[in-house]
Amino acid sequence: AQTVTQSQPEMSVQEAETVTLSCTYDTSESNYYLFWYKQPPSRQMILVIRQEAYKQQNATENRFSVNFQKAAKSFSLKISDSQLGDTAMYFCAFMVGGKIIFGKGTRLHILP
Amino acid sequence: GAVVSQHPSRVICKSGTSVKIECRSLDFQATTMFWYRQFPKQSLMLMATSNEGSKATYEQGVEKDKFLINHASLTLSTLTVTSAHPEDSSFYICSAIQGWVTEAFFGQGTRLTVV
Repeated sequence: AQTVTQSQPEMSVQEAETVTLSCTYDTSESNYYLFWYKQPPSRQMILVIRQEAYKQQNATENRFSVNFQKAAKSFSLKISDSQLGDTAMYFCAFMVGGKIIFGKGTRLHILP
Repeated sequence: GAVVSQHPSRVICKSGTSVKIECRSLDFQATTMFWYRQFPKQSLMLMATSNEGSKATYEQGVEKDKFLINHASLTLSTLTVTSAHPEDSSFYICSAIQGWVTEAFFGQGTRLTVV
């Protein structure tokens, strides 16, 4: 079965701090894509960052970066210099075989 | 990024009636569309995958006769909740991808309340 596990249901950090959200996944496929999505209170899903499994280099998008460990099937998200607007639900997901499978999410609170 | 429009954003219907939710890709052709259901404070549960011109593929446990999905064109997919009951009340989200683009674009979601 293809699964995504996010072991941190909820996290809180002070504004400007760095926070890492963990994610592990399980698949027997070799070609797939990994994502982190953000869902703010509006519930609109917003793509934060994407990683192709065949690329060894970790993806970065401004303050957001990932630590992709393919052998360990781990895909963590690091948010640097966290801002109040980063408060949201964060979902780890992967796309394989034409499907996107989501983890249960981590609710992140950025405290002023 | 590409835009996916979902309509309506909120709908209230009476128990026993049917309600249709539309999902449109506004500036690209969506070869595949997905329908998700999200319970409060929970993750997105994939209900079905639809490819243009083909029958939808439903996930295990999803009643295909209750949740009718039509993907008649490359820009429109619809989800019809038939004979709705209060337990069908939920937040429904669609997403769409192009064949060669490995990114999904999401609609704004529809909050369905069955009374």
